[in-house]
Amino acid sequence: EADIYQTPRYLVIGTGKKITLECSQTMGHDKMYWYQQDPGMELHLIHYSYGVNSTEKGDLSSESTVSRIRTEHFPLTLESARPSHTSQYLCASSGDGRNTEAFFGQGTRLTVV
Amino acid sequence: GESVGLHLPTLSVQEGDNSIINCAYSNSASDYFIWYKQESGKGPQFIIDIRSNMDKRQGQRVTVLLNKTVKHLSLQIAATQPGDSAVYFCAEKGSARQLTFGSGTQLTVLP
Repeated sequence: EADIYQTPRYLVIGTGKKITLECSQTMGHDKMYWYQQDPGMELHLIHYSYGVNSTEKGDLSSESTVSRIRTEHFPLTLESARPSHTSQYLCASSGDGRNTEAFFGQGTRLTVV
Repeated sequence: GESVGLHLPTLSVQEGDNSIINCAYSNSASDYFIWYKQESGKGPQFIIDIRSNMDKRQGQRVTVLLNKTVKHLSLQIAATQPGDSAVYFCAEKGSARQLTFGSGTQLTVLP
C-alpha cells in the first residue's frame, strides 16, 4: 500500500463555495501531481510540483490552484466551485530518478450542485 | 503534444483465459512505460513497468511487451481471474518528466 492520502473521499458542495482538497504523502517524495479524471476516462494532469515552493500547471487547463509549502503536503484549492468542476481528483507522488512510478491516493470525488 | 492511446475501450474474457490489453503511443522519445490497474472507486495501482532498452518484462502472471518500431505496448495477463476486472491504463514518460496516460481499457472477467 502506498502512503499517500487524500481527504475527503467524497464531497458534495454548492456552486460558488471555496474548497480545498487535501493530499499528503509520507514517503518523502519530492514530486507530487494532481490529476483530474472523469468516470471511465483518462487521467489529465492539472498540476505538478518538483519540490517545496515549486508548482507548475499541467496539460489540462484548470481553474484550481495548488501550493507546496511542505514536502509532504500538496493541497488543491478551488476558489469558487462550479458544476463543471464535478470530477474525480487524484493526487500522486513519485521519488527521484527518471524511471520511477507514481503512487496514487484513493482520490476525491467532487460533485458541485 | 505527446499522446498515448489505447486500441480498445472494453475487453471481456473468460475466467482462466489469458488477456491481452494493447496500447499505442506517439512520442518516439518515450523511454519509460508503466501499466496501472484501477478498480472502481480507487486510485490507479502500479502493475509493471518497462524501460525502452527492453522489449519484454515479466511479473507475477503479467508480461509487458514493448515494440518501439511501431510504438506499441501490450499487457498480457495469464489465467485471468475475477479480481483482475478493472480499468487498465498505460502511461509513458518521455521528454516531459511527468506521466502521460491513455484513455483506459475496461477488462471484464466472465465466470
